[in-house]
Amino acid sequence: EPEVTQTPSHQVTQMGQEVILRCVPISNHLYFYWYRQILGQKVEFLVSFYNNEISEKSEIFDDQFSVERPDGSNFTLKIRSTKLEDSAMYFCASLGGHTYNEQFFGPGTRLTVL
Amino acid sequence: QKEVEQNSGPLSVPEGAIASLNCTYSDRGSQSFFWYRQYSGKSPELIMFIYSNGDKEDGRFTAQLNKASQYVSLLIRDSQPSDSATYLCAATISNFGNEKLTFGTGTRLTIIP
Repeated sequence: EPEVTQTPSHQVTQMGQEVILRCVPISNHLYFYWYRQILGQKVEFLVSFYNNEISEKSEIFDDQFSVERPDGSNFTLKIRSTKLEDSAMYFCASLGGHTYNEQFFGPGTRLTVL
Repeated sequence: QKEVEQNSGPLSVPEGAIASLNCTYSDRGSQSFFWYRQYSGKSPELIMFIYSNGDKEDGRFTAQLNKASQYVSLLIRDSQPSDSATYLCAATISNFGNEKLTFGTGTRLTIIP
């Protein structure tokens, strides 16, 4: 069964450093998303991406964040200068193909900012 | 602020009983509603979605939607210990699910053997 994959599973970084979180969506999907979940809190939408551009972004997705689909398979989230409050689980999701009602979530990347 | 509200629980239900999970939403423009299950440290996993008023059944799960009351629920029949998880309610303005999902905080469900 096709699945969304994410790497790394856990990333530890120092405050102020740049991180890139990587996702490989399901191959025939057209819509891509990043969500995050701070420990003990709800899943929050960050950004959606369709047709090689951002469709929508939340207030959380400020100038420190960017997304890219560099090669037609990977979908990346970059945080330019990490803050302590960026520590969270980051989930990539994709939608499309024959299952237009389901956003499939990847296993997540746990980001720890020290 | 467009919110999805859930009782955070924990909700404890004996094995074999019916678990009832509730959710309300504030955005009247919401069209589709999703129930996800999330095990600790794992990603959300879709159980089912509903977009029409009334009931929708899938195996042991029944979702109910009342758009007039802005209320969604999930019933789990014949609860099993493996159903112990956090259940997330999510809403979207899209009929197709391609717009962003707005999640509630989740209800933690424990099935007691």
